[in-house]
This record gives sequence, structure tokens and C-alpha cells, in this order.
Amino acid sequence: NAGVTQTPKFQVLKTGQSMTLQCAQDMNHEYMSWYRQDPGMGLRLIHYSVGAGITDQGEVPNGYNVSRSTTEDFPLRLLSAAPSQTSVYFCASSYRGVRPDTQYFGPGTRLTVL
Amino acid sequence: DQQVKQNSPSLSVQEGRISILNCDYTNSMFDYFLWYKKYPAEGPTFLISISSIKDKNEDGRFTVFLNKSAKHLSLHIVPSQPGDSAVYFCAASSGGSGNTGKLIFGQGTTLQVKP
Repeated sequence: NAGVTQTPKFQVLKTGQSMTLQCAQDMNHEYMSWYRQDPGMGLRLIHYSVGAGITDQGEVPNGYNVSRSTTEDFPLRLLSAAPSQTSVYFCASSYRGVRPDTQYFGPGTRLTVL
Repeated sequence: DQQVKQNSPSLSVQEGRISILNCDYTNSMFDYFLWYKKYPAEGPTFLISISSIKDKNEDGRFTVFLNKSAKHLSLHIVPSQPGDSAVYFCAASSGGSGNTGKLIFGQGTTLQVKP
């Protein structure tokens, strides 16, 4: 199993540009999430999904869109990038089990918006 | 408002000694707590967890203690090893007995274990 994969690893955007961060998992996990990590802020939940076709907002959803058309993929879209979105983005997935532990994280995407 | 707080940005300990990482939370609805470990340029990995019906959970060198009345939890690493040097995140969930897929994280504490 590849686990949770994220592409690209690094990206530089100009203000106003759009892009999609890709996330895929091959563990047949129902739940998938996107987090951003900023210095002194820890990991903050952007959007999450409990299954294909179902998404919901997390703590910091503004400026980001998501969709979940398949169990495996959960892309994160930035429609008009802003410098405040410079961050490291992590995708995670987990089973719909009886305990909320063991979210599996991808290696991250480091995004810089100029 | 930060619902999960790790007030110590960094901690340095000598190899073989105990490392104690602390975490406070404000939301009384949290009922499951986790610790994640993160190395540079990697994603976080799950370390240990505890349900709110317990006050202690142990896994090898790692023990998590939960004080619900104080809304405080701590991670003890004994003995500390240089390979434990990483950023440690405390996280909380309020899904009851179910997994909601939502975790609220603290700011992280960077642990350095000196040989």
C-alpha cells in the first residue's frame, strides 16, 4: 500500500492564481481531511469528508473548495490564491471506526503564494 | 479561540531522562485525545491515545495521563532517546464513541533529546 499520497510536494503561486492540491489514499478509508500547518498555530482543519459525495467545513475553510467524487481521492482547490494561504498542507485519512485515532497523514505539500 | 493549547513551544532533555509534554483544552465536549509525532518534511504519525473514560494509557516508553477536571493531559516519555526528537502535537476529538474524522490540534511542542 502507498498509504496517503500528496502531489505536488512543493508549489509556488502568484497571488490570484488557482491550483488544486491532490490527495489519494489506497486504504479504502471512508474519512479524509485537509489540514494546514502554520508556525505557532499547529494543524488546523480546513475541510473534511466522511464519504464519497459528502464534505463539510473545518476550522478554516475560507478560500478553499473540496469535493469527494470517489473514496480514494480528495482534492483541495484554491480558486484565487492569497499570501495568507502560504502554508504546509497535509491530507489525512482514517477508517470510520469506533475510535477516532490513527488518522494517516500524507507527506505534505509546501505552498508559497507570492 | 484555541481549544487545544500546548503552551511550551520547545523542550530539551538529556538522553535517558523523562520528557513531559503538556496539553490543555477548553472544550468539555472533547472525549478522545491523541498525540502525534512529526519529523521534518514528513506528515504526522499517530503515537498514543486516550479515551475520556480513562485517566492513563501506556504503550512502551510512552504514557499519556488525562486529568478531566483540570482539562489537562500530558505525555511522558521514559527513557527519552535521541530518536524521540521531533514535534509533538496534542489533538482532541468530540465524536463520542464514533469517529467523526475531525481532530483539533494544539500548536505543537518541539522536543530535543540530547545524547
